[in-house]
Amino acid sequence: GQNIDQPTEMTATEGAIVQINCTYQTSGFNGLFWYQQHAGEAPTFLSYNVLDGLEEKGRFSSFLSRSKGYSYLLLKELQMKDSASYLCAVRDQDTDKLIFGTGTRLQVFP
Amino acid sequence: DSGVTQTPKHLITATGQRVTLRCSPRSGDLSVYWYQQSLDQGLQFLIQYYNGEERAKGNILERFSAQQFPDLHSELNLSSLELGDSALYFCASSDPAGGSYNEQFFGPGTRLTVL
Repeated sequence: GQNIDQPTEMTATEGAIVQINCTYQTSGFNGLFWYQQHAGEAPTFLSYNVLDGLEEKGRFSSFLSRSKGYSYLLLKELQMKDSASYLCAVRDQDTDKLIFGTGTRLQVFP
Repeated sequence: DSGVTQTPKHLITATGQRVTLRCSPRSGDLSVYWYQQSLDQGLQFLIQYYNGEERAKGNILERFSAQQFPDLHSELNLSSLELGDSALYFCASSDPAGGSYNEQFFGPGTRLTVL
């Protein structure tokens, strides 16, 4: 079976750091994506990991451990505009389709 | 703007009806994916086309069908609509031969409301 787990909701304060975790169990693996989605809008690509380790991209970093089936997204220097849902998705090995978790709704407070 | 377009933006219809959602992928992208997102639910993969051919199928209902045309645009047909079909329907496209990540680019979605 295929299963991707993320916390449903998180809150944080402007300027702080927040880590959003994602665990997965999938029959095939060809990379893990993080997308940001504001309510009612399209998901937008944030980061991609296919090898173990940390990928840094400005205020956003993403980590992957394939042996543990685990990833996290780290957001630094939080801004109010970072309030959104963050979607973890695993790419299928054979077809490139994405299997999404239910997403983590992040609320940033002043 | 991702470069993926979807029409219509909003659609309100009645149970039992049939609708067609349209998607134009980014220029050059050969793969098109359809996803359904119900209220407070994650994105559910429905179906993928690559260069006109069906490549992968998710939990797509038999009442739903899709196709990709020679110009690479795609249509998702939903028939015998039920209240539970109310959702945001997203189309995404990618170019398997290009880009470091081969990420999927999502269109703005079609919000379907079945009354």
